[in-house]
Amino acid sequence: EIVLTQSPATLSLSPGERATLSCRASQSVSSYLAWYQQKPGQAPRLLIYDASNRATGIPARFSGSGSGTDFTLTISSLEPEDFAVYYCQQRSNWPPVTFGQGTRLEIK
Amino acid sequence: EVQLVETGGGLIQPGGSLRLSCTASGITVSSTYMNWVRQAPGKGLEWVSVLYTAGNTYYTDSVKGRFTISRDNSKNTLYLQMSSLRAEDTAVYYCASGYCNGGSCFPTWFDRWGQGALVTVSS
Repeated sequence: EIVLTQSPATLSLSPGERATLSCRASQSVSSYLAWYQQKPGQAPRLLIYDASNRATGIPARFSGSGSGTDFTLTISSLEPEDFAVYYCQQRSNWPPVTFGQGTRLEIK
Repeated sequence: EVQLVETGGGLIQPGGSLRLSCTASGITVSSTYMNWVRQAPGKGLEWVSVLYTAGNTYYTDSVKGRFTISRDNSKNTLYLQMSSLRAEDTAVYYCASGYCNGGSCFPTWFDRWGQGALVTVSS
C-alpha cells in the first residue's frame, strides 16, 4: 500500500499570502495524484487531479505540480474561503486508493 | 444539478449489519463510476469501495468479505451492505462519483459527493 505523507500538519497564513502544501509518496505514483479541500461539516471537494489539472470550476489560484514521489499544491493568494483541510490522494497502485493525513490551513 | 443523498446510517452493535443507500439525481448511477469513502470522527479520509459501470467491484482490504457494493438501476441508487461490523468501522460514509472531463472518466478521482451518513458501531 502506498503511504502519502503531507507536510506541514498545520499551516498558519494570512489572506493574500501564498500557500505551499506538500505531499510525499512512499513510492512513485507517476502523476496519479489528486488534491481535495474539506471544510468543517462538509464533504471534500476535488481541486486537482493527475497532479496538475484543475477540476471543473476550480479557481486559477489553485495549482498543482510534481511527479513521482513529491507533489505540491499552491494557492497563489489566499482568500478567506480557502482556510480548510487539504488532502492528497493517489490512484497509481490500487486497490487501495490512499489519502494523506491532511494539512490544516488556518488563519494567522 | 447533481445530488447524492446517503441514508441508512445509525447506531449498530458490533457484529451487526447495516445497509447504506445513496440516491442520485442529475447523474445515472449505472453510467458512472461510484465509490464509498469513509471518515472516522476527527480523522482523515479512507476509500472503501468502487463499483464500475461494467459491474466490477473493488474493496479496501479491511472490508473485504464483510462489505458489498451494489446498485439498483431502476432506483438510481447505490448501496453498501455492511456486515460483521466492528468499532473501527465507525465513520461518516460518503458516496462519491468518479470524475469525468470531456470524453474521459476516472473511477477513483472523487468528484460529486453526498453529505455523508454516520455509522456508529458500539455496544
